[in-house]
Amino acid sequence: NAGVTQTPKFQVLKTGQSMTLQCAQDMNHEYMSWYRQDPGMGLRLIHYSVGAGITDQGEVPNGYNVSRSTTEDFPLRLLSAAPSQTSVYFCASSYNTGELFFGEGSRLTVL
Amino acid sequence: SQQGEEDPQALSIQEGENATMNCSYKTSINNLQWYRQNSGRGLVHLILIRSNEREKHSGRLRVTLDTSKKSSSLLITASRAADTASYFCATDARGGSEKLVFGKGMKLTVNP
Repeated sequence: NAGVTQTPKFQVLKTGQSMTLQCAQDMNHEYMSWYRQDPGMGLRLIHYSVGAGITDQGEVPNGYNVSRSTTEDFPLRLLSAAPSQTSVYFCASSYNTGELFFGEGSRLTVL
Repeated sequence: SQQGEEDPQALSIQEGENATMNCSYKTSINNLQWYRQNSGRGLVHLILIRSNEREKHSGRLRVTLDTSKKSSSLLITASRAADTASYFCATDARGGSEKLVFGKGMKLTVNP
């Protein structure tokens, strides 16, 4: 099993551009989440999903959209990139037992 | 605001020594988890302790939970250079595993 796969690993955007960070998992997990990690801030929850067709907002959802059309995929869309969205983004999945499985991260720079 | 706060924020020790990290949280939880993050990598789950447990072991790891003090500690015994990483505690204070709340992390450096 590949686990949780995130693409791209690195991306540079200009302010105002849009893009989608892809996340796929092959463990048949119902729960999936997106976090951003900034220096000194730990991980903050952006959006999460408890199953296909169900999404909800986390702590810092502004500027991001998500959808969950299949159990496997949970893309994160940046609508109009801003320098404040420069960060490392992590996708994670889990059963409802608690343990999160993380991807390797997507490092985004917005100029 | 962050639910979990690790203490100390950074720790440097010699190989073979024990490393203890503490985590404090603010609201009631069902479980608390510890994760490790190597530089430039994703987080890896280490151990989960439930609110009705006081202590749990996994290899060289020992985790304690004191719900009355809203605190947990992670002890790594006989540390190795490979233990050099950032360590995070996470709680389910806001719901289930789909929305864990992470602390800011603690950087452990184990010198060979």
